[in-house]
Amino acid sequence: AQSVAQPEDQVNVAEGNPLTVKCTYSVSGNPYLFWYVQYPNRGLQFLLKYITGDNLVKGSYGFEAEFNKSQTSFHLKKPSALVSDSALYFCAVRDREGLTGGGNKLTFGTGTQLKVEL
Amino acid sequence: DGGITQSPKYLFRKEGQNVTLSCEQNLNHDAMYWYRQDPGQGLRLIYYSQIVNDFQKGDIAEGYSVSREKKESFPLTVTSAQKNPTAFYLCASRGMTVQETQYFGPGTRLLVL
Repeated sequence: AQSVAQPEDQVNVAEGNPLTVKCTYSVSGNPYLFWYVQYPNRGLQFLLKYITGDNLVKGSYGFEAEFNKSQTSFHLKKPSALVSDSALYFCAVRDREGLTGGGNKLTFGTGTQLKVEL
Repeated sequence: DGGITQSPKYLFRKEGQNVTLSCEQNLNHDAMYWYRQDPGQGLRLIYYSQIVNDFQKGDIAEGYSVSREKKESFPLTVTSAQKNPTAFYLCASRGMTVQETQYFGPGTRLLVL
């Protein structure tokens, strides 16, 4: 089975400060890892993914994430937060070898609400 | 959201009624998915389809049905057997390569009258 944990329901940060949204995962085999963002009453928007190679992945809107295999983590980061970054963020995992079966399905965390204040 | 459309944006269901949510994609993606989103629970997979005329149950398929008669379309029916249908429903699609990203539609909010 595969699973994702986002240990913080909410993260508060001041505009201009760096932000981190945490994600740890469990998967059989090697992972593909994804971050999505959701604004109220909207679908999920893709931010970035880790497939292979460089452990630091850069994505949309200045976000980046670092894959750490030993800690099974994939934390989302941004050097300087904006009020417009306030949204719900989801981490997701898929096993690379398809060991979980089921259409290479994604397993999502429960989401972290990010609030950026002036 | 681009390339995947869901309709309607809001849908109201009466007791004992079946309702159908539409999902269409113009991305030429082979795989399509339906998720249910409830507050604090993340996304849960209802059904998925990897090819036309084939689909598989996800984690919470009871009370739902789907069809995949065309590559572009994957409608979801919420049947009267689904006793707690109030949720935000998200459709997604993905190309067939395992590395590919899953993209989401804008969602349909289903409410019970």
